[in-house]
Amino acid sequence: LAKTTQPISMDSYEGQEVNITCSHNNIATNDYITWYQQFPSQGPRFIIQGYKTKVTNEVASLFIPADRKSSTLSLPRVSLSDTAVYYCLVGALNTGGFKTIFGAGTRLFVKA
Amino acid sequence: GAVVSQHPSRVICKSGTSVKIECRSLDFQATTMFWYRQFPKKSLMLMATSNEGSKATYEQGVEKDKFLINHASLTLSTLTVTSAHPEDSSFYICSARDLRGGGADTQYFGPGTRLTVL
Repeated sequence: LAKTTQPISMDSYEGQEVNITCSHNNIATNDYITWYQQFPSQGPRFIIQGYKTKVTNEVASLFIPADRKSSTLSLPRVSLSDTAVYYCLVGALNTGGFKTIFGAGTRLFVKA
Repeated sequence: GAVVSQHPSRVICKSGTSVKIECRSLDFQATTMFWYRQFPKKSLMLMATSNEGSKATYEQGVEKDKFLINHASLTLSTLTVTSAHPEDSSFYICSARDLRGGGADTQYFGPGTRLTVL
């Protein structure tokens, strides 16, 4: 299982762009990178998923360099409601089965 | 994204009783579901992997006789905390694996169940 490393916490202000980087040095060839958002007392919510280069959806962008040993979640123009914990996970389906191991995540605090 | 529900959202019980938590994938079939436990300010800790039609696989340190898991259909997995004690009080979260994305492992999570054992 590829281990991930993220900053423990980050602060930002409303309207700013926030970039959270995750390191996954031993990512396997078949692994995808997935980011989740979690608010207190709620289950994690899927944000975005990618394999390489750049992926963009209505809430975020995911940048993955060519070596795939890291990835960056980009949140454009954050608001107070983006204050949450963000988890980066890597993995893939395979015949041997797969299980998700959550790291500590990054606590993002958005200030007014 | 896909929708996963959990029931109940919160439960308070007396020590020694058993509590059942249901996890349902509402708009897709899930051959594999996962059960997690989360303590305040901590990350999610995987308890077990639930496979439809077969026995669950438990993580090291998780008592299979205490946390009974049943995955009888492609849309429902249940976690029963037997003879609950105050130390079992926690936030329990399930997820369902969505295989429609090809090789990616995409899991959708339920809203969680807050268990308080008095």
